[in-house]
Amino acid sequence: KAGVTQTPRYLIKTRGQQVTLSCSPISGHRSVSWYQQTPGQGLQFLFEYFSETQRNKGNFPGRFSGRQFSNSRSEMNVSTLELGDSALYLCASRPGIVYNEQFFGPGTRLTVL
Amino acid sequence: AQTVTQSQPEMSVQEAETVTLSCTYDTSESDYYLFWYKQPPSRQMILVIRQEAYKQQNATENRFSVNFQKAAKSFSLKISDSQLGDAAMYFCAYWREYGNKLVFGAGTILRVKS
Repeated sequence: KAGVTQTPRYLIKTRGQQVTLSCSPISGHRSVSWYQQTPGQGLQFLFEYFSETQRNKGNFPGRFSGRQFSNSRSEMNVSTLELGDSALYLCASRPGIVYNEQFFGPGTRLTVL
Repeated sequence: AQTVTQSQPEMSVQEAETVTLSCTYDTSESDYYLFWYKQPPSRQMILVIRQEAYKQQNATENRFSVNFQKAAKSFSLKISDSQLGDAAMYFCAYWREYGNKLVFGAGTILRVKS
């Protein structure tokens, strides 16, 4: 079974731009979560989607948003990019909301200049 | 809110030796799960071991084992017979029962010397 895939793997943007990151979960997994990893703040939870609905959201500004499609693929969008948004964005999937083990993708490295 | 603390920013171990990484957590809940994840330079987060809080027996996965002390809220990872491929950042993480997110510690960089 293929693992979680994330595209693109690397991205360079400038301040003020917006960006969309994509995540394809493991086949059959219906829950997708996003995490932000930075040297200063560590790993922080952004949000989780299940059956196209956002179930939980972390403490991030409204510039961070996401969605999930009927095939469970998920996208994360960051608008009006700031330098501090430079980070590794990790996507994780799990079969359902009862299952408590998440499987991570390789991440998207976003650099904001 | 739950918190996870890893007090060792960096650890070193000689190849074939044993090393223990520390983790403490704070929670008021009785049912939860604890994980150790490994993140090598490739950045892919890999699950190393998982412990259910309701199980008294410590989890073991080949060379990896944990020392779970529920009353002390301590969850350390022991790596036996360390190998060069074990070099990575290790994260301790908490997941509450019926929760929907992992709460991570700051991580411990493990260096393995040959």
